[in-house]
Amino acid sequence: QQQVKQSPQSLIVQKGGISIINCAYENTAFDYFPWYQQFPGKGPALLIAIRPDVSEKKEGRFTISFNKSAKQFSLHIMDSQPGDSATYFCALEEGSARQLTFGSGTQLTVLP
Amino acid sequence: SAVISQKPSRDICQRGTSLTIQCQVDSQVTMMFWYRQQPGQSLTLIATANQGSEATYESGFVIDKFPISRPNLTFSTLTVSNLSPEDSSIYLCSGVNTGELFFGEGSRLTVL
Repeated sequence: QQQVKQSPQSLIVQKGGISIINCAYENTAFDYFPWYQQFPGKGPALLIAIRPDVSEKKEGRFTISFNKSAKQFSLHIMDSQPGDSATYFCALEEGSARQLTFGSGTQLTVLP
Repeated sequence: SAVISQKPSRDICQRGTSLTIQCQVDSQVTMMFWYRQQPGQSLTLIATANQGSEATYESGFVIDKFPISRPNLTFSTLTVSNLSPEDSSIYLCSGVNTGELFFGEGSRLTVL
């Protein structure tokens, strides 16, 4: 059973545009929702994360929106730049085990 | 933030042989994990590397195939045994430091 569904699989955005990536989950026991950014040949790097007690978290151009009742969360990248071109993974964590369940990934391309 | 170094960064191995991947962290980490990422795909947790004791494996992964050691708080190894072409993948080490999960750059294994 797929615990998290991520969409879209790929996304092409013009420079300056808004990139939106969505994730939906089933298990309400998850209590930590990070987003990771991965460039080719590199390991994933934590971009931003949220806990379910807040509905939104913003760090610079990156915002997580969290809808607990719908069991969905999304990443918004404002003023997208070519340097943002990477693969983005949402992830889920339950409790303090720090074991992550990853989404399938979204390959973002920002055109100059 | 912690820096995780993995060796080798890539290797090409023959079917039936084994490869050991080393993971070195530049500071003590409370928890260490090994993930597998097939090219263009998401990450799947292989096991939690426990210091001084046997690793905890996820469903679908067994100790005979993926023996793991963690002799101290900064070092771990993953061996992929009896290699087959299906083992061709990127293997990533990760660790928890100051509450954040960090990843190494991965070790790309190709099995001929």
